[in-house]
Amino acid sequence: GQNIDQPTEMTATEGAIVQINCTYQTSGFNGLFWYQQHAGEAPTFLSYNVLDGLEEKGRFSSFLSRSKGYSYLLLKELQMKDSASYLCAVRGSNTGKLIFGQGTTLQVKP
Amino acid sequence: DADVTQTPRNRITKTGKRIMLECSQTKGHDRMYWYRQDPGLGLRLIYYSFDVKDINKGEISDGYSVSRQAQAKFSLSLESAIPNQTALYFCATSDHRTGGNIQYFGAGTRLSVL
Repeated sequence: GQNIDQPTEMTATEGAIVQINCTYQTSGFNGLFWYQQHAGEAPTFLSYNVLDGLEEKGRFSSFLSRSKGYSYLLLKELQMKDSASYLCAVRGSNTGKLIFGQGTTLQVKP
Repeated sequence: DADVTQTPRNRITKTGKRIMLECSQTKGHDRMYWYRQDPGLGLRLIYYSFDVKDINKGEISDGYSVSRQAQAKFSLSLESAIPNQTALYFCATSDHRTGGNIQYFGAGTRLSVL
């Protein structure tokens, strides 16, 4: 079967660092994606990993370990506007189809 | 202007009615997708299309149909709407030629079936 797990909710403080984990079991692997989604809005693309290691993009970084079926999204210098859901998605083959986790709702507090 | 446009943004309908949700894109992408999102269930793929007139079922296609008559348009139909089709629907597009084949989403259609 195909399964993607991430925590349902997380809380962090403005200015801090937070790590959102994602573990996956899929038939085939051809990339892992992170999306940000504010309530009632469209998911917006954050990052993409296809090889092991860390991809850094400003305040956001994403890490992938294919052997462990594991990824994390790291958010630094948290801002109130980072309060949103963060969706982990895996592409199991080169068809372009994504399998999404349930999403992690992050609340940033002052 | 939005690159991926969904219409309508909100729709209330009654059980048994036929409705159509439209998606159009100006990104020039070849691939298009329809998802539904329910609280606690994440995004689930309904149908996807790799090119004009190419149609493929996703995880939850029962009760839905789609049409791709032009590269820029992908419409989703509910032939006879039922209350458990109440959800937030998203259209997405991607270009298989670009690195990552990243999907870009429309703003969503909130559908309520009474």
